[in-house]
Amino acid sequence: QSALTQPASVSGSPGQSITISCTGTSSDVGTYNLVSWYQQHPGKAPEVMIYEGTKRPSGVSNRFSGSKSGNTASLTISGLQAEDEADYYCCSYAGRGTWVFGGGTKLTVL
Amino acid sequence: QLQLQESGPGLVKSSETLSLTCTVSGGSISSSSYYWGWIRQPPGKGLEWIGSIYYSGTTYYNPSLKSRVTISVDTSKNQFSLQLSSVTAADTAVYYCARLTTAHQGWDIWGQGTMVTVSS
Repeated sequence: QSALTQPASVSGSPGQSITISCTGTSSDVGTYNLVSWYQQHPGKAPEVMIYEGTKRPSGVSNRFSGSKSGNTASLTISGLQAEDEADYYCCSYAGRGTWVFGGGTKLTVL
Repeated sequence: QLQLQESGPGLVKSSETLSLTCTVSGGSISSSSYYWGWIRQPPGKGLEWIGSIYYSGTTYYNPSLKSRVTISVDTSKNQFSLQLSSVTAADTAVYYCARLTTAHQGWDIWGQGTMVTVSS
């Protein structure tokens, strides 16, 4: 069970859109529609932003959206705001009750 | 609303066993709608799933940690616990307890996290 692959960092200006990729394998992302995305501000616990690949929990801005193609899931944030600057992690079900996280992506709002 | 709170020693000696407890308040750990889990984050690094438990006691572990991990549940105290044996400096991390919904809504509630340092 290897960690999912995410870019170490992405950046964008306020108002722009960015996309963070999360690449797994046919044993996790490619097989199960159970990818979730988490936002983590410094010193804070993670917060779920997307679940089941594309769904938003109540209270999460519709500027956050998720998608999947093959073994790669993606998180898109549109209309970037300063408050979006944080670390983002993907997580996928990997079968037999196990879960795997991505290495994390640091989002910088320029 | 439901809250999770980790507790346990912040300092553990190398080769010994790390023990943490997560207390669930504002709701029942015995709900059939949730799993309960432990996730850790070494300083400056990413998240790592350690394992999960159902209120019935069914457990699932990260294969890379399975030989050293035990997760248990005490429904009478509304708590679940983590034991990690033979710790090394690589086990130094913030340890989070979290709730996972059986409705596939992800890890939706997290504790604040507790820092555990392994010393030599």
